[in-house]
Amino acid sequence: DAGVIQSPRHEVTEMGQEVTLRCKPISGHNSLFWYRQTMMRGLELLIYFNNNVPIDDSGMPEDRFSAKMPNASFSTLKIQPSEPRDSAVYFCASSPTGDTNSPLHFGNGTRLTVT
Amino acid sequence: GESVGLHLPTLSVQEGDNSIINCAYSNSASDYFIWYKQESGKGPQFIIDIRSNMDKRQGQRVTVLLNKTVKHLSLQIAATQPGDSAVYFCAEDNYGQNFVFGPGTRLSVLP
Repeated sequence: DAGVIQSPRHEVTEMGQEVTLRCKPISGHNSLFWYRQTMMRGLELLIYFNNNVPIDDSGMPEDRFSAKMPNASFSTLKIQPSEPRDSAVYFCASSPTGDTNSPLHFGNGTRLTVT
Repeated sequence: GESVGLHLPTLSVQEGDNSIINCAYSNSASDYFIWYKQESGKGPQFIIDIRSNMDKRQGQRVTVLLNKTVKHLSLQIAATQPGDSAVYFCAEDNYGQNFVFGPGTRLSVLP
C-alpha cells in the first residue's frame, strides 16, 4: 500500500533559481495539503486542495510560491525565484475526505536548501 | 536525518517507564484532535485520534486524554521503548477545514 510519495527527497539550489516539488497522494484520497516545517515556525499549512480545487492558499508566503493540482494523482509546489529563507522541509499530505473527519497521511518530505 | 526543532521541549524517560506528553490547544470549537509521531527524516505518522464527545481513547500502548474545560490534550505511552524516541505533535481541526499543529515535544528514551 503506497503512501504519499514526494520527490525529490533533497533539493539544493542557488538563490534565484526555480524549484519544483512534487507529490503523489494516496489513491482515492480527495484532499491534498502542502505544509512547510522549520525549526522556528514548526509545521505551517501553505495550501490545500479538495477534488483538485485550491480551497485555501492563505498560508502561501508570497507570490513567489504557487501550487497546482492538475489531476487527482499529482500536485506541484513551485517557488520562483527561490530565496535562502525558503530553506525548510516541505511536506505533502492527503486525506480521504474533504474535511477534518479523518487524519492526514504525510509523505516523507522534501528537504530544500537554498544557498 | 534533519533536526526538527532544536528548541523543542524535551521529555526524557527511562526505558520501560510511562511517558506523558501534553498539548494545549487554542480553539474551544475544535471537534477532532490527532497525535502524530515524527521520526528523523520522515513525515509525521498518525498515532491516535479523539473526537470532542470523548474524554479518553485507548490504542495499543497509547492513550489520549482530552480535557475540554482547560483545552488540554495528553498522550500517554505505556512501557516506553527506544523506538518511541521521536517528536510528537498534537493537531486540532481548524473549523472543519484543515489542521493546526502544535510546536511538538521531543521524547528521548534513556536505556
